Amino acid sequence: AQKVTQAQTEISVVEKEDVTLDCVYETRDTTYYLFWYKQPPSGELVFLIRRNSFDEQNEISGRYSWNFQKSTSSFNFTITASQVVDSAVYFCALSDATDSWGKLQFGAGTQVVVTP
Amino acid sequence: EAEVAQSPRYKITEKSQAVAFWCDPISGHATLYWYRQILGQGPELLVQFQDESVVDDSQLPKDRFSAERLKGVDSTLKIQPAELGDSAMYLCASSRTSSYNEQFFGPGTRLTVL
Repeated sequence: AQKVTQAQTEISVVEKEDVTLDCVYETRDTTYYLFWYKQPPSGELVFLIRRNSFDEQNEISGRYSWNFQKSTSSFNFTITASQVVDSAVYFCALSDATDSWGKLQFGAGTQVVVTP
Repeated sequence: EAEVAQSPRYKITEKSQAVAFWCDPISGHATLYWYRQILGQGPELLVQFQDESVVDDSQLPKDRFSAERLKGVDSTLKIQPAELGDSAMYLCASSRTSSYNEQFFGPGTRLTVL
């Protein structure tokens, strides 16, 4: 069965510190997709990144970077030089062929609090 | 920039009443999803549509919940009767196809059942 674990419930940092969010997933499929979403206090989920299981290259987008390691079934997310606007709940999600393609299995989320 | 529209943004109702939520996906998106997010948890899929057809409704409590997407565009999610445990955020999302495209979410409807 597919499962996504975000063990960190809340992380508090001071502005300009780096913060890394952990995500561990379980799936029996060899083809799957991993996602990160941001949910600010307004409530709307904002898409950040999609990565397929065949592409293990790390990715950097501005202050955001992602580290995908199939050997440990992890897809970790780092925010460099955090800012107050980064305060939000971040969700890792998995999509595979279980049940139906497109269904996102979300983790419980990690609350990031950035203080000035 | 195209967005997923949802209404109402907030709904307060008493238990045993009927409620309905509306979603208008991004134009051209064939797949539409309804998720329920209980406070402090990640969203859980309730129902997935491909055009006007239901692809997955395995987690939809069918004794009280119903969803439709009659013309394959906008969609309505209904709860009748509402129960206290239905208090949650109801999120609608859409994607171009159901394969692996990213899903774009609407602002959600916050439901409070008293």
